[in-house]
Amino acid sequence: AQKVTQAQTEISVVEKEDVTLDCVYETRDTTYYLFWYKQPPSGELVFLIRRNSFDEQNEISGRYSWNFQKSTSSFNFTITASQVVDSAVYFCALSDSGAGSYQLTFGKGTKLSVIP
Amino acid sequence: AAGVIQSPRHLIKEKRETATLKCYPIPRHDTVYWYQQGPGQDPQFLISFYEKMQSDKGSIPDRFSAQQFSDYHSELNMSSLELGDSALYFCASSFLTGNTEAFFGQGTRLTVV
Repeated sequence: AQKVTQAQTEISVVEKEDVTLDCVYETRDTTYYLFWYKQPPSGELVFLIRRNSFDEQNEISGRYSWNFQKSTSSFNFTITASQVVDSAVYFCALSDSGAGSYQLTFGKGTKLSVIP
Repeated sequence: AAGVIQSPRHLIKEKRETATLKCYPIPRHDTVYWYQQGPGQDPQFLISFYEKMQSDKGSIPDRFSAQQFSDYHSELNMSSLELGDSALYFCASSFLTGNTEAFFGQGTRLTVV
């Protein structure tokens, strides 16, 4: 069975601080996909990244970066120089239901509050 | 660019009533997914359709049913509503194969009173 653990329930940081959101996953499959989604207070799910299990390269997109380590089954997300607009719930998710499938198992989410 | 459209955005129903949620996927996407997110919870996969056929089934109650129509829009039908069905219901669409992204709709917030 697949499982995603986001141990941090809530995090508060002061604006401009860096923050890392942890994600640990479990799956028996060798082919799987990992995701991060942002859910702002308005409720929509905003796609941030999709990474397949064969691509362990770290990725940077502006102030966002992701560290994928298969050895520790982790896919951590770092926001550099946080801003108030980053305040949201962030979900890590896993799909091992076949290439391209979006049958996702989500973690419980981490609520990030960025204080001005 | 066209996004996934869900309607209605908000719905209030009484216990034991029936509700129908609609999802219009991005044009040419062949797969639709439904998720339920209870208050303070993570989204839970309910059901998916590929080319109008059910492809996967998750934790969908027997009181719920869904289908995908010839124009690829999908409907989630919920009967004998319970207070615990109050949640945000998301629809997502994608291409089943290829390195693509799934796009979520803005969700339908169902409140059962």
